[in-house]
Amino acid sequence: QVQLVQSGAEVKKPGASVKASCKASGFPFSAYFIHWVRQAPGQGLEWMGIISLSDAATIYAQKFEGRLTVTLDASTTSVYMELTSLRPEDTAIYYCALDYDAPLDVWGQGTLVTVSS
Amino acid sequence: DIQMTQFPSSLSASVGDRVTITCRASQGIRNYLGWFQQKPGKAPKSLIYGASNLANGVPSRFSGSGSGAEFTLTITSLQPEDFATYYCLQHKTYPRTFGQGTKVDI
Repeated sequence: QVQLVQSGAEVKKPGASVKASCKASGFPFSAYFIHWVRQAPGQGLEWMGIISLSDAATIYAQKFEGRLTVTLDASTTSVYMELTSLRPEDTAIYYCALDYDAPLDVWGQGTLVTVSS
Repeated sequence: DIQMTQFPSSLSASVGDRVTITCRASQGIRNYLGWFQQKPGKAPKSLIYGASNLANGVPSRFSGSGSGAEFTLTITSLQPEDFATYYCLQHKTYPRTFGQGTKVDI
């Protein structure tokens, strides 16, 4: 079945970077789009960016421009989200989500990133 | 960016109640509006896309309506498993933007 499986939890110090992965399966990898969405503790959902799986083109929310890089590896059907210059307010669950039959209708289980000194 | 204003932020309801949640866009988005349900500790789940289209496997007690800038999610006959937080999302332009969420509890 169509599935997104994300990498495990990370603990990082302020100023460090984190790179989370999202492995896709169950669909033709090159034909779709994957989003990254985050959720701080007790807060709502925040859209971060999107990558086209056909040509790796990306669009980022302006808030993350310069700190966020989303890439893909077609050989492993994986998408990666790297966030640099981490600060405590980046502590959140980071989700990948696929536009399959509908916008963001398939979600990964989330990766908890904790930023703490 | 398109701002999505969702209300109420929370509501209390009982099993069997009819519940309505509203989402207003800061500019017209035609029918590019989705609704998501999130339970504690879980990833969001797609309920509605294109303002009124039910996502795969979603029970028919959920329905969406509206176009332009004002949208509603209606749950007829609330079930115990429907107690959750609901979010709207505009999928017309980038950046995609979510509403602030509506927590439905007892």
